[in-house]
Amino acid sequence: IAGITQAPTSQILAAGRRMTLRCTQDMRHNAMYWYRQDLGLGLRLIHYSNTAGTTGKGEVPDGYSVSRANTDDFPLTLASAVPSQTSVYFCASSDSETSYEQFFGPGTRLTVL
Amino acid sequence: GQNIDQPTEMTATEGAIVQINCTYQTSGFNGLFWYQQHAGEAPTFLSYNVLDGLEEKGRFSSFLSRSKGYSYLLLKELQMKDSASYLCAVRDGDYKLSFGAGTTVTVRA
Repeated sequence: IAGITQAPTSQILAAGRRMTLRCTQDMRHNAMYWYRQDLGLGLRLIHYSNTAGTTGKGEVPDGYSVSRANTDDFPLTLASAVPSQTSVYFCASSDSETSYEQFFGPGTRLTVL
Repeated sequence: GQNIDQPTEMTATEGAIVQINCTYQTSGFNGLFWYQQHAGEAPTFLSYNVLDGLEEKGRFSSFLSRSKGYSYLLLKELQMKDSASYLCAVRDGDYKLSFGAGTTVTVRA
């Protein structure tokens, strides 16, 4: 692994199903983030974690949950997917919350029908 | 939340200069960032301004005026590979990034 990876690359999901998007980084970064990107709206922060064991809510947290059991992994779970959650999801990490650069994963394209 | 405005689209000719403006209103300020995003790819970091003035990095420069809530990204000697979306982002008092919707720059031969 080099950098930050996400899985799956893309997914089509039936409404009401549960889905976990995976994010792993090998840079030993303390801070990790989940964004969604929608046309015309830009990137919006869903949840974040400043260090392992802690998480916080971003701008659009409803319908999503996260956990940060260790430094490397930051999964995002949709408990019961709805069509409005159709989006491209990006995971990002940075050395700390005050670092000036965030490194982004390749993204997961999710379609909820 | 934040209010960040930037133009939706810009077109320029190869070799020319393009300036992308960004205005913002924030609750707290800990820096302004520019990211580049090619179609279908992840955003990548371009520049960071926390103090007023111009930061130059090769063909790219970024300017910040905190009193005016204004920044611009200047792309010089445009190349075809510069065709991408450019995202303005502001970090608030809690160190969280808020992004503008992005400016799609098309470079024509």
